[in-house]
Amino acid sequence: NAGVMQNPRHLVRRRGQEARLRCSPMKGHSHVYWYRQLPEEGLKFMVYLQKENIIDESGMPKERFSAEFPKEGPSILRIQQVVRGDSAAYFCASSDGPGELFFGEGSRLTVL
Amino acid sequence: KNQVEQSPQSLIILEGKNCTLQCNYTVSPFSNLRWYKQDTGRGPVSLTIMTFSENTKSNGRYTATLDADTKQSSLHITASQLSDSASYICVVSAHTYGGSQGNLIFGKGTKLSVKP
Repeated sequence: NAGVMQNPRHLVRRRGQEARLRCSPMKGHSHVYWYRQLPEEGLKFMVYLQKENIIDESGMPKERFSAEFPKEGPSILRIQQVVRGDSAAYFCASSDGPGELFFGEGSRLTVL
Repeated sequence: KNQVEQSPQSLIILEGKNCTLQCNYTVSPFSNLRWYKQDTGRGPVSLTIMTFSENTKSNGRYTATLDADTKQSSLHITASQLSDSASYICVVSAHTYGGSQGNLIFGKGTKLSVKP
């Protein structure tokens, strides 16, 4: 049973480009969470999704950021027109609802 | 404001020694408290989860305590090993949305270095 899979593990973008980060939850999990971690900082909640629905996006910037979790395929965190401040590690976690939260290895975005 | 404070920020100990990491929280209503281990460049891995009624829980050489009255938790590591070098993150859940994991508040972590 594979764990939470995130790709790419590392992504480099120039300012103004788009970044797409993918997360495949653990088998049987329908709840996905995205977190951002800046260097030397704790993880900050961004968005919580269930299949095809955004449940809580209170931690996600209103502009340039969007997330989806389609019926088929991985969850995607999309950052448009990236800026240097978007450079961070983005972690995805999944659960079956009330059970334990499992994290992926993260996607590290560097904006030049 | 819901907050989780961890101390110390960083800690260096010699291999074989014990250590204790602290976590204070102001999160309400409290649901559960978790400790995660995060190796450098990796995702967090769960060590323990404690609910309001639990005041101690062990996972191998890791023992977590919880005092819900004082809103404090500690993580004690016994007979440290080099592989224990990592960040240890305290996470408090404010409440659940219909049984899911909404509203987790993360501490900044304690960076532990175990030296030979």
